[in-house]
Amino acid sequence: AQTVTQSQPEMSVQEAETVTLSCTYDTSESDYYLFWYKQPPSRQMILVIRQEAYKQQNATENRFSVNFQKAAKSFSLKISDSQLGDAAMYFCAYRSATQGGSEKLVFGKGTKLTVNP
Amino acid sequence: DTEVTQTPKHLVMGMTNKKSLKCEQHMGHRAMYWYKQKAKKPPELMFVYSYEKLSINESVPSRFSPECPNSSLLNLHLHALQPEDSALYLCASSQDATASGSPLHFGNGTRLTVT
Repeated sequence: AQTVTQSQPEMSVQEAETVTLSCTYDTSESDYYLFWYKQPPSRQMILVIRQEAYKQQNATENRFSVNFQKAAKSFSLKISDSQLGDAAMYFCAYRSATQGGSEKLVFGKGTKLTVNP
Repeated sequence: DTEVTQTPKHLVMGMTNKKSLKCEQHMGHRAMYWYKQKAKKPPELMFVYSYEKLSINESVPSRFSPECPNSSLLNLHLHALQPEDSALYLCASSQDATASGSPLHFGNGTRLTVT
């Protein structure tokens, strides 16, 4: 079974600074997808970024980028120019791309990010 | 604004009540999901519907009964719940539930309190 580990229960960053959230995962599959979701106090889970395992290029979405290291099974999220609105719980998630593989989205335990003004 | 709409936003019910949670999406997605989320924990999958058929049931107690009337609607019927069932219930949808990377789109959730 696949597992996702977020080793930082909480992180804080100064507004306008850069912060990196860690995520590692364990799988025997070669084809999969990785996601970062953000959940602010409003409760809605919002997709931040998505990475296909077969792509070597790291995904980017505006101020959000990932460092995807397939061999190391690492998928960290970098937030540049942090804004107050980035404060939220961030979840790393894994989904199989293998035919017959699990349809489940496997979540890490989350990292609570605080942005200080 | 969320593209997945959940009602109600809050629900308080007694252990003998029967209530339903509703979820609707108009993105043409063919997979819909129910998740349960306790405070400060990640969401836990309960049910997956793919093309209006139940494809995953994560051994959820029978006091939770899902229903998918059509591809846009997903209900969760609640009966004889326990206080430990109090949680945030999240609905989500995706283009499909097969081995694809189509991301899940979540609703705002229903905060359920069982008294």
